[in-house]
Amino acid sequence: QIQLVQSGPELKKPGESLKISCKASGYTFTDYAMQWVKQAPGKGLQYMGWINTQTGKPTYADDFKERFVFSLETSASTAYLQINNLKNEDTATYFCVMGAHYFDYWGQGVMVTVSS
Amino acid sequence: IMLTQSPATLSVTPGESISLSCRASQSISTNLHWYQQKPNESPRVLIKYASQSISGIPSRFSGSGSGTDFTLNINRVEPEDFSVYYCQQSNSWPLTFGSGTKLEIK
Repeated sequence: QIQLVQSGPELKKPGESLKISCKASGYTFTDYAMQWVKQAPGKGLQYMGWINTQTGKPTYADDFKERFVFSLETSASTAYLQINNLKNEDTATYFCVMGAHYFDYWGQGVMVTVSS
Repeated sequence: IMLTQSPATLSVTPGESISLSCRASQSISTNLHWYQQKPNESPRVLIKYASQSISGIPSRFSGSGSGTDFTLNINRVEPEDFSVYYCQQSNSWPLTFGSGTKLEIK
């Protein structure tokens, strides 16, 4: 069955960087785009953008064009989200999601806490 | 494209039938999808393209609408349905979500 398994929770200080992983299984990794969604504590879902798993080209929503990097390790069927120069407002759960137009399959989410 | 969901919170008794609204800031045809999110869980898709059912989703969930006005209907709410519901549009990029409707027990 299709699964997206994400890495574990992170506790970071402002200014640090982190890299979250999302390992896909149960399907051909390059057949579907990988999307990323942010959810701040107690808030709604915010679309971050997507990465083309065939070409590796990332596309970012406006709020995520600075400091955020989507990447792939295709041989390992894994997508990554890197966040540089972390800020308090980056505290959130980050989901990887499979699907082009609607979101079929979701990772379990990674809770990121940024605090000094 | 902005999606406005109403109401923000809906208090109902199990067994009631309800409708949740999602309104788009411009026409999005039927490129509208609905999700359910329970506390500390990932969202799951309930309805795709406004009214198309999803395998494994109970038949009490249905959707309707096109253009700018959409509705998610739950026929006879079950205890496990109390959660937050989001709509999402895929008509134009960037994809966007509504702010959600919380369905709570009265």
